[in-house]
This record gives sequence, C-alpha cells and structure tokens, in this order.
Amino acid sequence: GQNIDQPTEMTATEGAIVQINCTYQTSGFNGLFWYQQHAGEAPTFLSYNVLDGLEEKGRFSSFLSRSKGYSYLLLKELQMKDSASYLCAVRAGPTDKLIFGTGTRLQVFP
Amino acid sequence: NAGVMQNPRHLVRRRGQEARLRCSPVKGHSHVYWYRQLPEEGLKFMVYLQKENIIDESGMPKERFSAEFPKEGPSILRIQQVVRGDSAAYFCASSPDRTGGYTFGSGTRLTVV
Repeated sequence: GQNIDQPTEMTATEGAIVQINCTYQTSGFNGLFWYQQHAGEAPTFLSYNVLDGLEEKGRFSSFLSRSKGYSYLLLKELQMKDSASYLCAVRAGPTDKLIFGTGTRLQVFP
Repeated sequence: NAGVMQNPRHLVRRRGQEARLRCSPVKGHSHVYWYRQLPEEGLKFMVYLQKENIIDESGMPKERFSAEFPKEGPSILRIQQVVRGDSAAYFCASSPDRTGGYTFGSGTRLTVV
C-alpha cells in the first residue's frame, strides 16, 4: 500500500523558522515533491528531491532521506503570506503518479 | 504561456444530473492527471491519461465516473447521476512526460444540491 504521513496543523510566529515533516511508505520511489496550497487555490510547486540531502531555494529548503522514508520542508523568515497548506507527495507505483499526503495547514501569527 | 485551464470554476448540479469537468493541459504536455479534494483533506488520485489512452484509473470509482483525453480537445472528467458525496474540488494537473513535475489547474468546485 501507499502511506504518506504529515502533521495536520502547525502554528508559528512571523520571522521564525518552521520544519514540516513527512514520512512515507510506498511501493517504489521516484522522487518527493512539496507543494504549497492556499485555501481555494491550486497547489503550486515548491521543491523536488530524488537524491538524499538538502535542496535549498531561497527561504525554503527540503531534505530527503530515502533509507528512512523521511523528508522535511524548512521555511525560514516566516511571513504572513506563508499561511497555507503544505502538501508532501511521492512519485511511486507502477505508473509513477504523484501520491499526496493529507497536507499540513500552517498558520503564521504576527 | 497559459497554464492548465479548468472550467467551469464552479459547478452546481442537482442529484441525478451529469457533471462534465474540462481540463486543457499546458501546451505541449501530453500527460494529464485528475485528483479530488474534499474539504480539509489532501488530494486523492483518480486517473492518469495520455492522449487517447487511460494509463492508470486505480483511483476512479467503479461506477458513474469516466474520463477521456481525446486526440483533439480538452480532457473531460464525467460524473453521471451525481450524489451529494460527489461534492468536492476536482483538480487537473499536466506534465510533459512521465517523470516531469506537475502543473495544476485552479480546480472545479462541484456542489451537488
């Protein structure tokens, strides 16, 4: 089966750093994606990891450990506009489709 | 360079009617995916199509739901005899190939009354 777990909700303060964890158990693995989704809008691509290690892109970084089935998304210098849901997705299965976790709703407070 | 276009943005149907959701992928993308999202939940995979072929329909309900991606024109997700439980946001995504990242449309919010 395919299982992707993320915390349901997190809160943080403007200017702080937050780490959103994702663990997965899937049949096969061909990469892990993070998407951001504001309420009522389309998911937008944030990052992609296929090899172990850290990928940095501005205020956002994503880490992957394939042996542990674990990834995290790190958001630095939080801004109010970062309040959104963050979706972890794994490309897996015989047709390499993206399988999504339930998402983590992040609320940033002033 | 237009992204993924979905229409309509909002669709209201009475129980028992048919709902047709359209998706035009990014120009040059031949892989289309449909996902359903219930309020406060994640994206659930429904179906993966390439031009004129269904590649993976493991997430499609066995009855009332069908999808196509013809040689010409948009991909269509069709829901026959809708029920209240079909109310959800339906997102379409496209990619240039099997390993590419997905670009999502803005979704169609279906409400069954």
